[in-house]
Amino acid sequence: NAGVTQTPKFRILKIGQSMTLQCAQDMNHNYMYWYRQDPGMGLKLIYYSVGAGITDKGEVPNGYNVSRSTTEDFPLRLELAAPSQTSVYFCASSYSQGANTQYFGPGTRLTVL
Amino acid sequence: AQKVTQAQTEISVVEKEDVTLDCVYETRDTTYYLFWYKQPPSGELVFLIRRNSFDEQNEISGRYSWNFQKSTSSFNFTITASQVVDSAVYFCALSGRGGSQGNLIFGKGTKLSVKP
Repeated sequence: NAGVTQTPKFRILKIGQSMTLQCAQDMNHNYMYWYRQDPGMGLKLIYYSVGAGITDKGEVPNGYNVSRSTTEDFPLRLELAAPSQTSVYFCASSYSQGANTQYFGPGTRLTVL
Repeated sequence: AQKVTQAQTEISVVEKEDVTLDCVYETRDTTYYLFWYKQPPSGELVFLIRRNSFDEQNEISGRYSWNFQKSTSSFNFTITASQVVDSAVYFCALSGRGGSQGNLIFGKGTKLSVKP
């Protein structure tokens, strides 16, 4: 059982480049989330999705876009990479909100130079 | 607004010592959920425990125990007889019942170093 998978594990981007971080889950969870973790900080929510076709902004959405065409996949797109987007990105999923535990992927370490 | 405070940024102990990680939360919801996650040096986030606001019973799982006190808005985590493998960053998190309040709010984490 793979759980939540993320690709790539590491990536270096130049300022202004674009990329998509991939996230997939095989637990048939309705809810999926993207977080970023900066050094010494907790995780901050970028975007979340309550099901296929439905997404909403979290605390720090600027500079990012998401889509959710299937239950399994929730890619995160960076259109014009900036040094401020250097971070570790985590994808998570849960069956529902609130009471339901979120399960996290292994993370993607992104550096923008 | 919801908020989670982990005042201890870093803690260092010697193996076999007991250690308590503090977590204080703020919420106006009457129904809410508290979580602890562990982030070992390898970087993944591992779920440890979930507690709902209606259940103030303490929880014990092996060397781990959790003390939930609504009167002080705290959800503290104790490791008994710590081991080197307990070295990690530990995050406390809070969520409400649903909607935007149903998303997790994380504290900044406490880095625990257990020395042999």
